[in-house]
Parts: sequence; structure tokens; C-alpha cells
Amino acid sequence: DAGVTQSPTHLIKTRGQQVTLRCSPKSGHDTVSWYQQALGQGPQFIFQYYEEEERQRGNFPDRFSGHQFPNYSSELNVNALLLGDSALYLCASSFRTGKATQYFGPGTRLLVL
Amino acid sequence: AQKITQTQPGMFVQEKEAVTLDCTYDTSDPSYGLFWYKQPSSGEMIFLIYQGSYDQQNATEGRYSLNFQKARKSANLVISASQLGDSAMYFCAMRGARSNDYKLSFGAGTTVTVRA
Repeated sequence: DAGVTQSPTHLIKTRGQQVTLRCSPKSGHDTVSWYQQALGQGPQFIFQYYEEEERQRGNFPDRFSGHQFPNYSSELNVNALLLGDSALYLCASSFRTGKATQYFGPGTRLLVL
Repeated sequence: AQKITQTQPGMFVQEKEAVTLDCTYDTSDPSYGLFWYKQPSSGEMIFLIYQGSYDQQNATEGRYSLNFQKARKSANLVISASQLGDSAMYFCAMRGARSNDYKLSFGAGTTVTVRA
């Protein structure tokens, strides 16, 4: 049973650049959520995708955008990177209701220089 | 708004002993879900245990049990018979029950170090 996978594992970018992170949900799951975890803090909710639409969004600027594909995989895009965007980005998947338990991937560590 | 508070930044526990991690929460929702996740240094958040606000019994999953005290708004995690592999960061999280609220709100976490 394949778990949640994310790519890449690590990424280094410079300020102003754009980045795309990818996530494949756990087998049987159709809902993907993205979280940002700054060093030493708990994860913060960015948004959730279901049926290829953004279903809920947290307090993140429009520089953060996403997409969900028909195979349920998802991308997180961040434009005009800031130093403060350096964090661990976690993807979580769950099944349909959105109220089900969310299972997380290994994360992508993004460093903005 | 939902708020999760974990007041213990770090804890040490001897191998084979039990450890209790504190979690208090604040919500105006009449129905909600409480979760505990483990995060090793590798970064992946591992689901441990879930407690629904209307569940009559405290949740248990193997060596993990949740001491749920609804009136006190606390949901403490108890890890019994600690193992070296239990050394990690532990997060308490809450999800509201409103129809359009799917996000998890996390606490700041507690670092557990198991000593041999």
C-alpha cells in the first residue's frame, strides 16, 4: 500500500524565484491538503484540494497556489519567493469526506536564499 | 477560532517507562476531532491516534492512549513502555466539525527524548 509521496525532497531557490512542489496521495485517497512548517513550529494549513478544486484555504497570500489533477495528485506553486518561505512543506491525503484522518508525506524542505 | 496549546517544549523519559504529553485546546465548535502525530527528525508526520469529541471512551492504539477530559478541554497522550524509537517531536492537532472546515490546527509540539 503506497503512502503519500512528495518530490523533490530538498530544494534551494533564491528570492524572487518560483517553485513547484508535487504530491501523490495515498492509494485510495482523493483529497490533498498542503501545510507549511517553519523551523521549530507546528504545521500551518495552506489549502485543501478535492475534485480538482480548492475547497478551503488558510491565511496564505495569493503567491501560494495549487492544482489537483484527475489522478488526485497535486502541485503547490509559490511565486516571488521570500526568505520567510523557507520551511518544510507537507502534503497530506485523506478520503473524500475531508473529515477523515489526514496522512502525511515525508515533506519537501525548501530553502530560499 | 481553534487553538491548541502544548506547554512542554521538551521531555526526557527513561526507556520502558511511560510518558504523558499535555495538550489543551480551545474551540467554540460543539463537535470536533483531536489527533496526535509523531514527527521524527526525518520530517514525516506519522498519525498516532484520534479522539472524537463525542466518543464515550478514551482512544487507544497499541502503546498509545489518549486521556480525554472534555470538561477541562484536554487531550493528553500517554506513551507506555517507551522505546528508543519513540524519540521524536509530538504534535497535538484539532479539526473542527463545521461542514466547510477541513483543516488541522496544530500545537507547537513537544520533543521527547528516550534515554537508554
